[in-house]
Amino acid sequence: TQLLEQSPQFLSIQEGENLTVYCNSSSVFSSLQWYRQEPGEGPVLLVTVVTGGEVKKLKRLTFQFGDARKDSSLHITAAQPGDTGLYLCAGKVYNNNDMRFGAGTRLTVKP
Amino acid sequence: DTEVTQTPKHLVMGMTNKKSLKCEQHMGHRAMYWYKQKAKKPPELMFVYSYEKLSINESVPSRFSPECPNSSLLNLHLHALQPEDSALYLCASSPLGGSTEAFFGQGTRLTVV
Repeated sequence: TQLLEQSPQFLSIQEGENLTVYCNSSSVFSSLQWYRQEPGEGPVLLVTVVTGGEVKKLKRLTFQFGDARKDSSLHITAAQPGDTGLYLCAGKVYNNNDMRFGAGTRLTVKP
Repeated sequence: DTEVTQTPKHLVMGMTNKKSLKCEQHMGHRAMYWYKQKAKKPPELMFVYSYEKLSINESVPSRFSPECPNSSLLNLHLHALQPEDSALYLCASSPLGGSTEAFFGQGTRLTVV
């Protein structure tokens, strides 16, 4: 059983559609991070959420951290082909340096 | 500067070879990580160093030997690897503490033949 359950694992949508990716756990996290990874490259940090209930926006991307700090979501508005990639949530369990990843969501946005 | 530098970018080695992967950061981060990533899978944690001391070893086989010679450098020594060890090896660093994010290098693509 993975510490972070991420869903969906695969998502294929048309340009202009909206989508939401979920990251859930039974554990409390000090923070959760969202990364985007291109093939053969390292993950690139998109955002860190730290406070329960926090909402952060990055252009068309909106990130939420659950009130109990056990879950997070990533919402993309009006997806574009350039959003295609692997999206990963990751987090450090409370008071720990041990950072774990969810299974990832492979997003394809078709023109 | 949020750069983590990994060398080499690509490595092909035989099963009897000894090689090392290197990772460097100058952000003053005191936690450093090695991850292994197979194709179409998320990164899997291998080792964590805190204050240059090994704090987490995820039951990694002894043919992988990490080393943290100082606060900026992290090495992964490889010996007698198997073909199934072929993967993307990622290094990351972060400030200590649970609320801090990690920054990743570009990875080393390792192929064991």
